[in-house]
Amino acid sequence: DTEVTQTPKHLVMGMTNKKSLKCEQHMGHRAMYWYKQKAKKPPELMFVYSYEKLSINESVPSRFSPECPNSSLLNLHLHALQPEDSALYLCASSSRSGTGNTEAFFGQGTRLTVV
Amino acid sequence: AQSVTQPDIHITVSEGASLELRCNYSYGATPYLFWYVQSPGQGLQLLLKYFSGDTLVQGIKGFEAEFKRSQSSFNLRKPSVHWSDAAEYFCAAHNGGGGADGLTFGKGTHLIIQP
Repeated sequence: DTEVTQTPKHLVMGMTNKKSLKCEQHMGHRAMYWYKQKAKKPPELMFVYSYEKLSINESVPSRFSPECPNSSLLNLHLHALQPEDSALYLCASSSRSGTGNTEAFFGQGTRLTVV
Repeated sequence: AQSVTQPDIHITVSEGASLELRCNYSYGATPYLFWYVQSPGQGLQLLLKYFSGDTLVQGIKGFEAEFKRSQSSFNLRKPSVHWSDAAEYFCAAHNGGGGADGLTFGKGTHLIIQP
């Protein structure tokens, strides 16, 4: 199983709403990532979790709050978003090894629209 | 700073013709290199990867890529494209260190297939 599953596939939320994006993998990967992708742009790294600990936060606004409850799950909690936060949010996972295979597997993404 | 450059924003190829997409990287040491493909509104699918060893790597869907250290390049090729190859192609790099770092992406190349 080389699948990363993201839910929901589509989400429309108002600027005062609170919602969460979910990501799950069962490949035994110990690194998980959130990327944000605007239209016609490459993915931009937001957060990295390594062994369930936040290791990288790329200066993301606090209205985005990541959580890694266990090694298979990754959440992104959203609160008080702005219309410019509308984008495709991609989750990815990879095995962690200093010299080994570090390819990342991506989910299908959640298309978020903030109204 | 580490960077990945895809000099071609758009490429148009006739169905059945050969394809080459260019990618150059700028890293202190040879990074791990990847090519991903993305269909509209979808996640990223890994086409192939280079970690070390043989500089010509084979991937899925008939794609191959050649790593050239002297040119800091990792160009993607396919001998005969199909209409279903129309998509966005991203070259990406990872420093392969023991820390949990995300991928650095090029800006992408949009591939258009003419009938």
